[in-house]
Amino acid sequence: DAKTTQPPSMDCAEGRAANLPCNHSTISGNEYVYWYRQIHSQGPQYIIHGLKNNETNEMASLIITEDRKSSTLILPHATLRDTAVYYCIVRVEWEWGGATNKLIFGTGTLLAVQP
Amino acid sequence: GAVVSQHPSWVICKSGTSVKIECRSLDFQATTMFWYRQFPKQSLMLMATSNEGSKATYEQGVEKDKFLINHASLTLSTLTVTSAHPEDSSFYICSARDRELRGLESNQPQHFGDGTRLSIL
Repeated sequence: DAKTTQPPSMDCAEGRAANLPCNHSTISGNEYVYWYRQIHSQGPQYIIHGLKNNETNEMASLIITEDRKSSTLILPHATLRDTAVYYCIVRVEWEWGGATNKLIFGTGTLLAVQP
Repeated sequence: GAVVSQHPSWVICKSGTSVKIECRSLDFQATTMFWYRQFPKQSLMLMATSNEGSKATYEQGVEKDKFLINHASLTLSTLTVTSAHPEDSSFYICSARDRELRGLESNQPQHFGDGTRLSIL
């Protein structure tokens, strides 16, 4: 099962910042949080990942709370092309058989950017 | 950035046919690749982990004999849907992670292909 919960959908006005929340209250100390997005009929696109410090790249910023139980993905200036399903994922590092590094996808947040 | 290519992008075939899907890492080597399936309006479901030079590891409920995985090189994994039936119609997606980033490998992201849409008539 996915270790994260996200709102099923959100709207955002074009040009405004989109803030997508994610809860991961059972995250372990060395587990990373990854964000991907999937535009209709395409494979998921990597956005950003982090452990405990806030991260920023050319696509987005990732804010992780101090207790690491939640995070927020920020798209600073949303465009119509940012309309997609956004997935917040805590990677499964280990199972009984050893290291796995599996990504278990939850249901994600459908972000609709409105003109 | 890292590129993962899937082929074919879509395929339509008759019931009972076996279909092979290829997943290639174009500019990096991957000891591990992952195969997912996605039905309409649903999330991605992990089917199996493909390990270069060894047997694939399947998730619970996924039939090994139905979905044959071969990972014969560091840049290629194949998924064969054997004796496909209409219920196997789905969007199949693979992912891979660069094995060369020593020290950072543990947190490097997976990169996904653009998927293969399989329709069984």
